[in-house]
Amino acid sequence: AQSVTQPDIHITVSEGASLELRCNYSYGATPYLFWYVQSPGQGLQLLLKYFSGDTLVQGIKGFEAEFKRSQSSFNLRKPSVHWSDAAEYFCAVGARNNAGNMLTFGGGTRLMVKP
Amino acid sequence: EPEVTQTPSHQVTQMGQEVILRCVPISNHLYFYWYRQILGQKVEFLVSFYNNEISEKSEIFDDQFSVERPDGSNFTLKIRSTKLEDSAMYFCASLQTGSSYEQYFGPGTRLTVT
Repeated sequence: AQSVTQPDIHITVSEGASLELRCNYSYGATPYLFWYVQSPGQGLQLLLKYFSGDTLVQGIKGFEAEFKRSQSSFNLRKPSVHWSDAAEYFCAVGARNNAGNMLTFGGGTRLMVKP
Repeated sequence: EPEVTQTPSHQVTQMGQEVILRCVPISNHLYFYWYRQILGQKVEFLVSFYNNEISEKSEIFDDQFSVERPDGSNFTLKIRSTKLEDSAMYFCASLQTGSSYEQYFGPGTRLTVT
């Protein structure tokens, strides 16, 4: 069974500083990987996804993530954080063998941005 | 841009009552999902639905839950006899088969059981 670990429950960064949110997954093959963002009281918005090819993927709002097979990681990065990035971020993994398979989410990382 | 919609946005019900949560997936999508998120916890998969039948379900999805696609546009989640622990945000998602495995999520329905 697949699983996702987000080791950092809370992270606080200053506005303008760089950001890296960690995600480690467990899956028997190369998975589909996703990062979603959830603002308070809102739904889940897809930031970016990795299916195959270039291991560095670009997403919306200036985010990027790098798939590292050797480390089973898919860390999310942003070079300069804006106050509006304060939200909860979820990493998710999907199985490749069936489009109907569920997504498995990590526990989330709550990002706070200091002025 | 097409989007998944859910109604109601917030539902309050008494323990033991039946509730139906409604979702309208994106029109050309073929796979449909329900997830839930208990306050402060991770998003958990409940069920996936394809070709008018359940394709996968989690252990959370017991006999109190059922899903239906009553017409060509709606996808519903029914909880037969709600319990306090069913209080959560329920998200519907849909997916179009093909090269993309991206699930599109609705805004959620907050269910409060009192």
